[in-house]
Amino acid sequence: GIQVEQSPPDLILQEGANSTLRCNFSDSVNNLQWFHQNPWGQLINLFYIPSGTKQNGRLSATTVATERYSLLYISSSQTTDSGVYFCAVVDTNAGKSTFGDGTTLTVKP
Amino acid sequence: NAGVMQNPRHLVRRRGQEARLRCSPMKGHSHVYWYRQLPEEGLKFMVYLQKENIIDESGMPKERFSAEFPKEGPSILRIQQVVRGDSAAYFCASSRTSTAEAFFGQGTRLTVV
Repeated sequence: GIQVEQSPPDLILQEGANSTLRCNFSDSVNNLQWFHQNPWGQLINLFYIPSGTKQNGRLSATTVATERYSLLYISSSQTTDSGVYFCAVVDTNAGKSTFGDGTTLTVKP
Repeated sequence: NAGVMQNPRHLVRRRGQEARLRCSPMKGHSHVYWYRQLPEEGLKFMVYLQKENIIDESGMPKERFSAEFPKEGPSILRIQQVVRGDSAAYFCASSRTSTAEAFFGQGTRLTVV
């Protein structure tokens, strides 16, 4: 099956700093999503982005499908951004999502 | 439009009992997925269902676990004769099509004592 690798596994930032999270995948995909799992365990949809670039406030994402990677940018980070960020892909042969292992982000005040 | 609804939010079972987890997809969504998250780990796919059909159950343990999505009513994930290793958060997601954006419920946290 498709492999999904996220980097870095852990990231510690001071409030106000910017960061880039990366998601590499091993095969063609029909769907790519970024999620934020908050400290209460809730999964929040950030982006549905099988290709191209999208922005939502301080967050933006870019997927280069031909090169099999996606990037999530967080600018001016806040303590509420802390949590785990997951990338999930649906490959062209399956309907299910395969998740990466996540990036654990800690934003310190 | 309500989101994906899962219940119960928390479930405690003694070893050997049965656990039933329910998931009501978003309105208009006919594709349902179940995932399991062990403590400090990522989400692992279990099963993918459409109304009355199991499309992919490659992530389901061969024994004790079953899932259904009947014509009427919620999807059910059933775990028979639970063991301590079944303790985890179980998430359900739904989507309009197999490649459309998926939305997750808040999960059911199962604790086996």
